[in-house]
Order: sequence, then C-alpha cells, then structure tokens
Amino acid sequence: GDSVTQMEGPVTLSEEAFLTINCTYTATGYPSLFWYVQYPGEGLQLLLKATKADDKGSNKGFEATYRKETTSFHLEKGSVQVSDSAVYFCALSLTFRTNAGKSTFGDGTTLTVKP
Amino acid sequence: EPEVTQTPSHQVTQMGQEVILRCVPISNHLYFYWYRQILGQKVEFLVSFYNNEISEKSEIFDDQFSVERPDGSNFTLKIRSTKLEDSAMYFCASRAQGAGEKLFFGSGTQLSVL
Repeated sequence: GDSVTQMEGPVTLSEEAFLTINCTYTATGYPSLFWYVQYPGEGLQLLLKATKADDKGSNKGFEATYRKETTSFHLEKGSVQVSDSAVYFCALSLTFRTNAGKSTFGDGTTLTVKP
Repeated sequence: EPEVTQTPSHQVTQMGQEVILRCVPISNHLYFYWYRQILGQKVEFLVSFYNNEISEKSEIFDDQFSVERPDGSNFTLKIRSTKLEDSAMYFCASRAQGAGEKLFFGSGTQLSVL
C-alpha cells in the first residue's frame, strides 16, 4: 500500500540553523506530495506542495523538491526561527484516483527551535 | 483565505455515549473527509464523502461510525457508542473539484472519552 516515511524526531535546532526533514514515499501511482505543519494547539495547515517530478514547492522560506528517482520530498529551510517550532507532516495523495484528496501521512517530526 | 470550521473544539463524553462532531466545509467544495490523530501518533484517514455518499473508508471506520451531510453546509461524524480508544483529535477537511487540489483542514475537535 501507499506509505510515507519521515525522519524521526524530535529535532532541536538553534535559531538561524539549517533545517532538513527527510521524507520518502512508496505509492502505487503518481502522487502529489505535501508538507503540512501543526503549530501547538492548532490544526493542520498546508505548508507547501508539489504535483509532479522536479517540481519545487515553497512557502515561508521552506522548500521541498519532488524527486521521483529517489521517491523523496525532503523539507528544507535555510534559517529557522523560534516561530517555526511545530510538528511537520509529509503526506501524499494519489491524483489519478477519483478520490484524489485522500491523503496518507507520515508520523510527523517535531521541530523545536531555541533562541 | 476560506476556512473549514469545526465545532466543538473540545468534547468530553462517557464511554458508551453517542457523540456528533460537526464541520462546516468551504462552501464551494465537493469532497469531504474525516481524519483523526491519536495523541502522539500519525494522522489517519477515516472516511471520504462525495455526492452524498461515502466514497472510501478505512478499516477504522466501522459500524460505530457514520457520516452525514444533513443540509447544504454541515458535514457530521457520529460515533454511536464511544470507546476509550476513540479519544483523539478529529479533523474535518474539504477540497474543491480537480485532482491534486489541496485539502483544507479544520482546526479539529479534541474528543476525550472517559
């Protein structure tokens, strides 16, 4: 079946450090890939997405590139801030199916950024 | 940006009681979903709903669960007889027509079964 594997957390960084959270996937089709963020006490918010190979999603300084050859979608940010502290979820959705919105999520990676 | 609204934000209930979790999806969206997240675990798909019927459900979504779109705006999840293991954050989501369109999630209902 479809699955998403994320780098295990928690991850603790100092402010302005470089962030990478690894994500790899397995899917029976050609998925769209997403990163969601969950701030403390809040729901899931879409951070960025990519719908085809070599697409780069970006938002709020975060980036992720859809790598079909390595089935990966690693999240990166050049300089993290304390306000980036949250749980980050990698997810996929299979676009060729009628019910394309059903998403499969990774386990989530907790990021804590210290001043 | 438009929002998916969920009520209540917290629900406490006794084991064996029925609960209804309510969601108001974005008005022009056609596909509706429920997900749940048990504390510290991954977000799990429960059910999807389109054209007034369930289009897919997971093995978690057993006979104790049901969904309904009683009018043009609300989308509800009912748990008939709650169990302790139903305690979780339940997220409603909706999306517009078109493959690959992003899901808009509500802020969730924290259900605690005592």
